[in-house]
Amino acid sequence: DQQVKQNSPSLSVQEGRISILNCDYTNSMFDYFLWYKKYPAEGPTFLISISSIKDKNEDGRFTVFLNKSAKHLSLHIVPSQPGDSAVYFCAAINWGGSNYKLTFGKGTLLTVNP
Amino acid sequence: NAGVMQNPRHLVRRRGQEARLRCSPVKGHSHVYWYRQLPEEGLKFMVYLQKENIIDESGMPKERFSAEFPKEGPSILRIQQVVRGDSAAYFCASSPPGWDEKLFFGSGTQLSVL
Repeated sequence: DQQVKQNSPSLSVQEGRISILNCDYTNSMFDYFLWYKKYPAEGPTFLISISSIKDKNEDGRFTVFLNKSAKHLSLHIVPSQPGDSAVYFCAAINWGGSNYKLTFGKGTLLTVNP
Repeated sequence: NAGVMQNPRHLVRRRGQEARLRCSPVKGHSHVYWYRQLPEEGLKFMVYLQKENIIDESGMPKERFSAEFPKEGPSILRIQQVVRGDSAAYFCASSPPGWDEKLFFGSGTQLSVL
């Protein structure tokens, strides 16, 4: 039962353009969402997060949008850079429950072409 | 300023052998988490430990798997009598006392069972 879904296994964009990575969730109890970035042979690193009381959070080139009614979130990277090429994982938490337990999607491999 | 250190990076075992995976958290972090990533899957929560205590092991398989985080030394994930289905990347993460969603992940141990 995949509670966090990233339906695009891969995405390829040109340097300087926008990258949009999508994530859907099914569990209504999730109320905090995170994006992690993972390079090959490394562990995931935290990128950005958003609480369900917000619909947008921005940090430099990275913006996460949350649509609670659609149970959908997206990560926008503008402008995309070759160093952004990595696997991006969407993760969700039930803050009122086991708030240490992240539920991850399968990841999307982003390739930014020079 | 070392991050989460996991060793070994790669571990090859034959069916029926034991696997021991080690994790040293970030200095000052007292919370350790183990996640497993099966091929083509996202990371899945296994266990959450604090010093000398297992807080939540709901993600651990009922048999053959155990984890500890002793007062001194690294956290150990132990898999007895390994089977081919145990082949996966095992990631350890740590966080400071109190909740911090920005888990710091290690680079993982890739376990291959022949």
